[in-house]
Amino acid sequence: DGGITQSPKYLFRKEGQNVTLSCEQNLNHDAMYWYRQDPGQGLRLIYYSQIVNDFQKGDIAEGYSVSREKKESFPLTVTSAQKNPTAFYLCASSVQGASGNTIYFGEGSWLTVV
Amino acid sequence: AQSVSQHNHHVILSEAASLELGCNYSYGGTVNLFWYVQYPGQHLQLLLKYFSGDPLVKGIKGFEAEFIKSKFSFNLRKPSVQWSDTAEYFCAVNARSGGFKTIFGAGTRLFVKA
Repeated sequence: DGGITQSPKYLFRKEGQNVTLSCEQNLNHDAMYWYRQDPGQGLRLIYYSQIVNDFQKGDIAEGYSVSREKKESFPLTVTSAQKNPTAFYLCASSVQGASGNTIYFGEGSWLTVV
Repeated sequence: AQSVSQHNHHVILSEAASLELGCNYSYGGTVNLFWYVQYPGQHLQLLLKYFSGDPLVKGIKGFEAEFIKSKFSFNLRKPSVQWSDTAEYFCAVNARSGGFKTIFGAGTRLFVKA
């Protein structure tokens, strides 16, 4: 099946530890994204990547890092510098159509830092 | 900078009532507009999108949205809601000029009473 796979779905970590969330897509999409979803704040963009080996900061990049070594993969590392890491993280990818760019989402990863 | 504002954070309706969810965006250029839906326990799905042409766009499950350029608005409507429409709805925007950065609103939680 074609789609976006995020893993793990649930993750618990101790404060001060870095953690990496995986995102893989087999849709052959060029662009990939990471969003964070918090109650009442909607989706906020962390990082996005338009092509391999290139990525840009979104609105809340501090405390996060990404890499894009392969077209299919866009892992997100939540570092110990992120002050409030407990959240629902959504990976997405997009295809550039004739007139615009439509985003498709994975199922998300719940990160709880204790 | 782009921004998206959704007017209502929570909406409660009875079945068969009409629905209108407000969305306004702030961006000086030409935009693509989207509505996404997140049903309880499910991932975000595309409901409908506007790229160009007829400003009244129809999506899945009887939803439609109207782009009013002069008001920077893209309100979502449905003439008669069902209990199964209970979900969170997100408005989103990206720049038409090949832009990959997509910004989302804070979301509106709709609860439909049976």
